Amino acid sequence: GAVVSQHPSRVICKSGTSVKIECRSLDFQATTMFWYRQFPKQSLMLMATSNEGSKATYEQGVEKDKFLINHASLTLSTLTVTSAHPEDSSFYICSAAPGAGAYNEQFFGPGTRLTVL
Amino acid sequence: AQSVAQPEDQVNVAEGNPLTVKCTYSVSGNPYLFWYVQYPNRGLQFLLKYITGDNLVKGSYGFEAEFNKSQTSFHLKKPSALVSDSALYFCAVRDPPNDYKLSFGAGTTVTVRA
Repeated sequence: GAVVSQHPSRVICKSGTSVKIECRSLDFQATTMFWYRQFPKQSLMLMATSNEGSKATYEQGVEKDKFLINHASLTLSTLTVTSAHPEDSSFYICSAAPGAGAYNEQFFGPGTRLTVL
Repeated sequence: AQSVAQPEDQVNVAEGNPLTVKCTYSVSGNPYLFWYVQYPNRGLQFLLKYITGDNLVKGSYGFEAEFNKSQTSFHLKKPSALVSDSALYFCAVRDPPNDYKLSFGAGTTVTVRA
């Protein structure tokens, strides 16, 4: 149980284009989903937290107009990287929590490797 | 604010030997502590967590961790390492009810040689 999927697993795009990454909780309803960014050989940096039906909460320094997050249902959150540039190339990982309770752990997706040319 | 420190960038052990990956934390309240493992180009896999109760927590793949409040540590251990345990390990902490977010350590790369 508690499986989270991401699509696509890998994407290459041209500079200036937009890319959408999907995060799905397959066997549970996720009240909260998180989006992380990971640079090579570094830790995960939280970008934003999304709650179903409300606006995402972005971490300091993350441009909300560049990284659009939508959490339209209890099983799907999307991250859209708008007008992507080479510096946006990174490994993006989502996680999902089954509820708002303090005991709820996060379950992580397999990640999406974005390369912007 | 909560934080996690993993003092070792790399840990190298021989297969069959004990494996320890160190983690210390800083929170204002009682911590929720987690260990995750990441294989190349993959997401994070949950290993174990400490919420409350017994200080020794047993998790997946033969791993365990001991919560030590006085030393603010949560070291990950495995009595006999396998080559397949070679991966990147992350310690993470939550500081409820102040914060629902996870803060991750920098990660420790474990290499188990045959």
